[in-house]
Amino acid sequence: SQELEQSPQSLIVQEGKNLTINCTSSKTLYGLYWYKQKYGEGLIFLMMLQKGGEEKSHEKITAKLDEKKQQSSLHITASQPSHAGIYLCGSPLLNAGGTSYGKLTFGQGTILTVHP
Amino acid sequence: ETGVTQSPTHLIKTRGQQVTLRCSSQSGHNTVSWYQQALGQGPQFIFQYYREEENGRGNFPPRFSGLQFPNYSSELNVNALELDDSALYLCASSALRVPYEQYFGPGTRLTVT
Repeated sequence: SQELEQSPQSLIVQEGKNLTINCTSSKTLYGLYWYKQKYGEGLIFLMMLQKGGEEKSHEKITAKLDEKKQQSSLHITASQPSHAGIYLCGSPLLNAGGTSYGKLTFGQGTILTVHP
Repeated sequence: ETGVTQSPTHLIKTRGQQVTLRCSSQSGHNTVSWYQQALGQGPQFIFQYYREEENGRGNFPPRFSGLQFPNYSSELNVNALELDDSALYLCASSALRVPYEQYFGPGTRLTVT
């Protein structure tokens, strides 16, 4: 099973609708990073959450971190076709030795389609 | 500010061959990480380099090796290519003080036939 599980796996919405993507960890979260990826391309850094309860916004995208629930959510308000892509959450999850060595563990991604 | 660049963009190799992928880090970044992303999956960490030494490694066999150069650019070498090595290879750079704030390049699509 995945250490970071994203839900839903895919999402199709009409332009203008709000949507939420969730990322749940099986381990303690020491920071959570959200990225966006166009198919077959590199990852674009969206935002970083470091403290429990932290909430950040950029344009119409808001991300929150709930450390107690080991969960983060990404909310898009009034979606636009330009929001379409694959959204990935990543976190420096610690291994059994208590280290992560610069490794980001990623979820499997959520594919977002926005119909005009 | 120059972002992360990777070359080549696409590559087709035959099983058993060797391949070298290249990455130039973002200016001001001294740490480079490599990831493998299979179709429909999230990126999987291969290894990270800092000060020209491997700083951490994921669950990849020794035929995956790397180098980092004094200008912080990096190479990923894969020997004895297997069909399952077909994937998008992503390079990410970061500053040591914020090692997990990683900025990714556009990737190299490797196809092994």
